Amino acid sequence: ETGVTQTPRHLVMGMTNKKSLKCEQHLGHNAMYWYKQSAKKPLELMFVYSLEERVENNSVPSRFSPECPNSSHLFLHLHTLQPEDSALYLCASSPRGGDGYTFGSGTRLTVV
Amino acid sequence: AQSVTQLGSHVSVSEGALVLLRCNYSSSVPPYLFWYVQYPNQGLQLLLKYTSAATLVKGINGFEAEFKKSETSFHLTKPSAHMSDAAEYFCAVSVLGYSTLTFGKGTMLLVSP
Repeated sequence: ETGVTQTPRHLVMGMTNKKSLKCEQHLGHNAMYWYKQSAKKPLELMFVYSLEERVENNSVPSRFSPECPNSSHLFLHLHTLQPEDSALYLCASSPRGGDGYTFGSGTRLTVV
Repeated sequence: AQSVTQLGSHVSVSEGALVLLRCNYSSSVPPYLFWYVQYPNQGLQLLLKYTSAATLVKGINGFEAEFKKSETSFHLTKPSAHMSDAAEYFCAVSVLGYSTLTFGKGTMLLVSP
């Protein structure tokens, strides 16, 4: 157990479905992140939340919608995805000050 | 803005041989530097980090890295590779007071018997 828990571990969804990815941390960290990891591509930072406020949004399509209801939970709401959105979605958390991340095990998403 | 470059997308070594994974960084201010390891279908796990204290940093699983400011490098080494070291390794940089990490493209370490 890494301290950051992501559910589900695997998700298969059709292009017209709506689903959500969940991330939970109880490390007392106050920043949380969503990353996308596709085959043969670098890690892509999608969203950053610091103290529950979104501080970064790297030109992510609107079919991805993040939500951070409190400092321990982070969601990624998905709707009308495309097959190219199939990837490993990683959540991470960190304390303030650039002291490194703790990652979850990821959600392997397949869009059919 | 900061960046990292990892030289070599794949590195192959024999079991028992020296492991050397290269990372060079670019930063306009003193950086924090990290190495992470990722096993298949897992998240990234922190191996070690440099945060402006000792320049030689020891991490888990026998890995270590040396911060060399003059060479803007933070190479990862292990004296003797083990089969269980086969994984993908990521170098990352952040700057003091700003917590977002910038990752390199990763290096896949292959270990043969």
